This record gives sequence, structure tokens and C-alpha cells, in this order.
Amino acid sequence: SQQGEEDPQALSIQEGENATMNCSYKTSINNLQWYRQNSGRGLVHLILIRSNEREKHSGRLRVTLDTSKKSSSLLITASRAADTASYFCATDLFGNEKLTFGTGTRLTIIP
Amino acid sequence: AAGVIQSPRHLIKEKRETATLKCYPIPRHDTVYWYQQGPGQDPQFLISFYEKMQSDKGSIPDRFSAQQFSDYHSELNMSSLELGDSALYFCASSQRTTYNEQFFGPGTRLTVL
Repeated sequence: SQQGEEDPQALSIQEGENATMNCSYKTSINNLQWYRQNSGRGLVHLILIRSNEREKHSGRLRVTLDTSKKSSSLLITASRAADTASYFCATDLFGNEKLTFGTGTRLTIIP
Repeated sequence: AAGVIQSPRHLIKEKRETATLKCYPIPRHDTVYWYQQGPGQDPQFLISFYEKMQSDKGSIPDRFSAQQFSDYHSELNMSSLELGDSALYFCASSQRTTYNEQFFGPGTRLTVL
């Protein structure tokens, strides 16, 4: 992807553990969004963080944004089997709303 | 809450045929986006419309065209289909006043044989 890289590419953890995924991007952004995708299905919007925000929470999700390092992280606490999916970050630029996606992290939660 | 609706959900076509994908955005959303996701790939932006006017264009082949109608639904028309067009096609919608929060439909899986 031109803009985002995610790491790790794949992550397997035990149910109940926390999962952290990272996203790096190359240019200054306006917003960064995280999406979840179950295999071959639709993209579910998880959270949006603006470039002037540093941290955001939604339920078991915590997103941080470090614009100086051009990176974001998604933390899922107390993971569940239903969290098994691919997670993508997506960025947009000032004055340009199209999303550029990262390469995705494939998360597997082991029951 | 209402979500983005896409139809059909699955489509099988032969090479060189045409296909039309439809998207119905969330009510009161004024912007529609189309993305293509190949197998094992991340979604790639194709084209977008704001208030029925094309607002941006990405890596969309000349064989593809799209429009947004007066009721805000959008259609992606694909002609002279090639094997490489097999992919998931997503439509997303947003409301410009809400920081570009884009909500995606379930996608149309196009298979070209």
C-alpha cells in the first residue's frame, strides 16, 4: 500500500489476552480509521481518530495516534474468539477524503 | 441503524461481459465511495461522488464508469470484464460534516470466468 503498513502481519493470542496492532503511514494525514473484516466479508468501522487527537477509546478498543512518528496502534483488551478477523487502518489526507488502507493484520484468537 | 446496501451480493460473469453494481448509501449521507479489494489485498479506492458530482478518481480502469443518481444511490458499471476484475467491490458512504467517517456496505463479490 502506498500509505500504510501494518505490523504484525499476523497475530495469534489466547482468548482473554490483549492484542496490539500497529499501523505506520508516510504522509501527514487528516484522519485515521480502523476497520475489522471477517474473512471475505464487509469492512466494519471501529473507530476514527483525528490528527489532533492522541488517544481514543470505544468499549474494549483503545487507539493511539502519534503524528510525530506517523504511527497508530489499536489495542483490543480481553480478547474474545469473535475478535478473530483482519484489522485494517485507513488514512485520509486534508482536502482528500479517499481512504488509503494499510496492509492489514490478521488476528486469530485461540479459545 | 440503517447501513449501506449493496446489490447484488454475488455476481458471476464471463469474460468480456458487462456488470452493474448498485449501492444505496446511509440516509442523509452525501458522499459515496467505491473500493476494490482483490484476493488477499487491501481495498483500493476507485471513485467517489459528492452530491451527485464526481469528487475524486483513483485507479479505476477506463472500462469502468460510475454515477450517482438524484436519490443518492450509485452504480458502478463495468464493461469488457477481465479475469483480473474478480474481486470484492465495496461501496462506502459518509457525511461530510462528520470527519469523513466512512461506513462500508457488505460488498459485491464479482467472479469473472
